[in-house]
Amino acid sequence: AQSVTQLGSHVSVSEGALVLLRCNYSSSVPPYLFWYVQYPNQGLQLLLKYTSAATLVKGINGFEAEFKKSETSFHLTKPSAHMRDAAEYFCAVTHTLAGGTSYGKLTFGQGTILTVHP
Amino acid sequence: DTEVTQTPKHLVMGMTNKKSLKCEQHMGHRAMYWYKQKAKKPPELMFVYSYEKLSINESVPSRFSPECPNSSLLNLHLHALQPEDSALYLCASSPGVTLSSYEQYFGPGTRLTVT
Repeated sequence: AQSVTQLGSHVSVSEGALVLLRCNYSSSVPPYLFWYVQYPNQGLQLLLKYTSAATLVKGINGFEAEFKKSETSFHLTKPSAHMRDAAEYFCAVTHTLAGGTSYGKLTFGQGTILTVHP
Repeated sequence: DTEVTQTPKHLVMGMTNKKSLKCEQHMGHRAMYWYKQKAKKPPELMFVYSYEKLSINESVPSRFSPECPNSSLLNLHLHALQPEDSALYLCASSPGVTLSSYEQYFGPGTRLTVT
């Protein structure tokens, strides 16, 4: 079964500082990985996804993530934090069944709340 | 248009009421989902519809009854809920379910309070 672990339930940075949100996955088959952002009282918005085409994935709002198979990681980064980046971030992996199908099951990490200080 | 809409935005209901949540997408997606999200927790999958047929029920209590009238609409009928069912209910859609690479697009959610 696939799973993801997000290290750090809360991350606090200053405006303009580097953002690094950590995600490690566990999967017996090549994973498909996603980062979502959730602003207070809203739904989830897809930031980016990894589907094996390229290990460095660029997403919206200046975020990117690098897939590292040797480290089983898919950390999310942004060079310079903005106040508007304050939100909760979820890493997720598709639950891949035998034969590579998904049947729609996403497994989420526990989430990381990002706080940005002026 | 990559929008999934949900109504109502907020819902307060008593334990004896019957209510419905609605979800709509016009992206031509053939898979739709219901998730439940408690405060400070990730979303938990409840149901998956693929081509208007229920393909996954994650052992959800029968007081939650999903319905997919057509490929654009998804309903969640609620009856005899408990206070612990209070949560944010999220709808999502994706192009299909057969490829693990398909991303899901989420609606803004319905905040449900059961009194």
